[in-house]
Amino acid sequence: EAGVAQSPRYKIIEKRQSVAFWCNPISGHATLYWYQQILGQGPKLLIQFQNNGVVDDSQLPKDRFSAERLKGVDSTLKIQPAKLEDSAVYLCASSLGQGTGYTFGSGTRLTVV
Amino acid sequence: GIQVEQSPPDLILQEGANSTLRCNFSDSVNNLQWFHQNPWGQLINLFYIPSGTKQNGRLSATTVATERYSLLYISSSQTTDSGVYFCAVESWDYKLSFGAGTTVTVRA
Repeated sequence: EAGVAQSPRYKIIEKRQSVAFWCNPISGHATLYWYQQILGQGPKLLIQFQNNGVVDDSQLPKDRFSAERLKGVDSTLKIQPAKLEDSAVYLCASSLGQGTGYTFGSGTRLTVV
Repeated sequence: GIQVEQSPPDLILQEGANSTLRCNFSDSVNNLQWFHQNPWGQLINLFYIPSGTKQNGRLSATTVATERYSLLYISSSQTTDSGVYFCAVESWDYKLSFGAGTTVTVRA
């Protein structure tokens, strides 16, 4: 089966600019996650979707980050305006359902200068 | 949330050596996964192991859920085993929490 697709792979922007990341999960996977991984740390959950509804966005900095999952398939994560501390790898993962494991995409490496 | 601790933080091995990585977690979990993050940042699933023992080639893993720990064994290590190994636990409300990882360097 095809994996989780993410784009772009790399992005460099200046602080205060906006940026968007795209994720296409594995076909049929109802649950989709966005994680932020800062260099040297483990990934941290930003937001979890079940189909097109938000299950958990308690760790999402809502003043600058937003995410949507239209039609319960693809998802976009947006940062506006970006700060230097947003430099990280943004990982998308999907899961078929409870107790079935998670598959991660290759990630988008964001550098804010 | 569930706290996940991995040890050791760093591991340097000579090619051919064996090693054990440990993951402790603070509460009962629905599931546990071990991942390998390659130098390009891709998280590769190694094991999905809520309990018991599994083996895949030179890698094996054991989870003792009642004692809240899991072990990942690497035997006859190769340079391609280098990278960061993450343990991640799924809580009963389906949240996946990661440890800080163990960075493994295998020298030829």
